[in-house]
Amino acid sequence: DTGVSQDPRHKITKRGQNVTFRCDPISEHNRLYWYRQTLGQGPEFLTYFQNEAQLEKSRLLSDRFSAERPKGSFSTLEIQRTEQGDSAMYLCASSPWGGVEAFFGQGTRLTVV
Amino acid sequence: AQSVAQPEDQVNVAEGNPLTVKCTYSVSGNPYLFWYVQYPNRGLQFLLKYITGDNLVKGSYGFEAEFNKSQTSFHLKKPSALVSDSALYFCAVRDPNNDYKLSFGAGTTVTVRA
Repeated sequence: DTGVSQDPRHKITKRGQNVTFRCDPISEHNRLYWYRQTLGQGPEFLTYFQNEAQLEKSRLLSDRFSAERPKGSFSTLEIQRTEQGDSAMYLCASSPWGGVEAFFGQGTRLTVV
Repeated sequence: AQSVAQPEDQVNVAEGNPLTVKCTYSVSGNPYLFWYVQYPNRGLQFLLKYITGDNLVKGSYGFEAEFNKSQTSFHLKKPSALVSDSALYFCAVRDPNNDYKLSFGAGTTVTVRA
């Protein structure tokens, strides 16, 4: 499968715990995006990487959230001290340089109990 | 700021009938417009895009969309709906001056009955 891959697909965690999600973009896509989707809503932009550089962070990304893309390939999204309001689907997408559309992974569904 | 509105939460049609999912947008300048489809517990699948040129764009699975600049709309259409088209559809807009961030509508649930 050469699409965007996300791991895990599902995560249930207790409030206050830290979680980390991984995204593997399509090979040679230098742009990588994280979005969050809550029930009944469309995806909302969280952050964007061009290669290893994080170029923008949404105001939705509080200090408890951190994203990295250390070698310009895979990316991780960490949430510290999770809260029930963090429960959502976290979507990763990638696109090539000069490309217009973004290609999405299947998402990681986080449930904070 | 860019935004998208999908005025209908749900659209119900009979199989074989035409399907239309509405979308209006707001963006400064000329927009890039997209439609994505999401099946249960799955990510978003790209259907089609409008960048420039012909106002009628064709995409995957027999879908097409018409860009109307004066009405700031980008409605998704399919001449003959299938039961398998039942899914959640999202319209999205991108400001070409910010060449990365997509703004999505809230989505429209399409149900095609046999």
